[in-house]
Amino acid sequence: AQTVTQSQPEMSVQEAETVTLSCTYDTSENNYYLFWYKQPPSRQMILVIRQEAYKQQNATENRFSVNFQKAAKSFSLKISDSQLGDTAMYFCAFRTSGTYKYIFGTGTRLKVLA
Amino acid sequence: SQTIHQWPATLVQPVGSPLSLECTVEGTSNPNLYWYRQAAGRGLQLLFYSVGIGQISSEVPQNLSASRPQDRQFILSSKKLLLSDSGFYLCAWSLSGRTDTQYFGPGTRLTVL
Repeated sequence: AQTVTQSQPEMSVQEAETVTLSCTYDTSENNYYLFWYKQPPSRQMILVIRQEAYKQQNATENRFSVNFQKAAKSFSLKISDSQLGDTAMYFCAFRTSGTYKYIFGTGTRLKVLA
Repeated sequence: SQTIHQWPATLVQPVGSPLSLECTVEGTSNPNLYWYRQAAGRGLQLLFYSVGIGQISSEVPQNLSASRPQDRQFILSSKKLLLSDSGFYLCAWSLSGRTDTQYFGPGTRLTVL
């Protein structure tokens, strides 16, 4: 079965510091896509960053970057220069090529402290 | 650009009453459509997905149903709500044929009393 595991239910970080959220997944497929979504208190799910498994280069989006380790099936999210607006629930997700289903982790609640 | 709408934003319903939540997507054709439920403080549970009009796949057997009467319209229904149906319902879409990224609507908060 395909699964996504986020082992950190809650984390906190001081404003302007860097934090890394962990995500591991399990699949026997070789082609897939990985995502990090942010869910702020408004509960609107917002795409933060995505990564294609066939790309070795780690994706970056401004202050957000990933560390994609395909062999280890690990996909962590690094947030640099944390801001108060980064306070949210973060979900890791993946989808294998050729399917329509997205598998989500249980989420990590991140709190940025002033 | 594409946008996704959901309504109502909030809903309070008594146990045993019917339910109809609507989701529409603008700016794209033949999207893949999804319904998720999120219990308080929990992750996302996929309920239904659709890859075309009249094509509905169910992930969780329960008293909910989904329909897709038009290309960009996805409806979640129930004939009789249960207390356990309370939660936050999210609709999402992805591009047909290129289902690499899902985009979510603003959600509906349903409380069953």
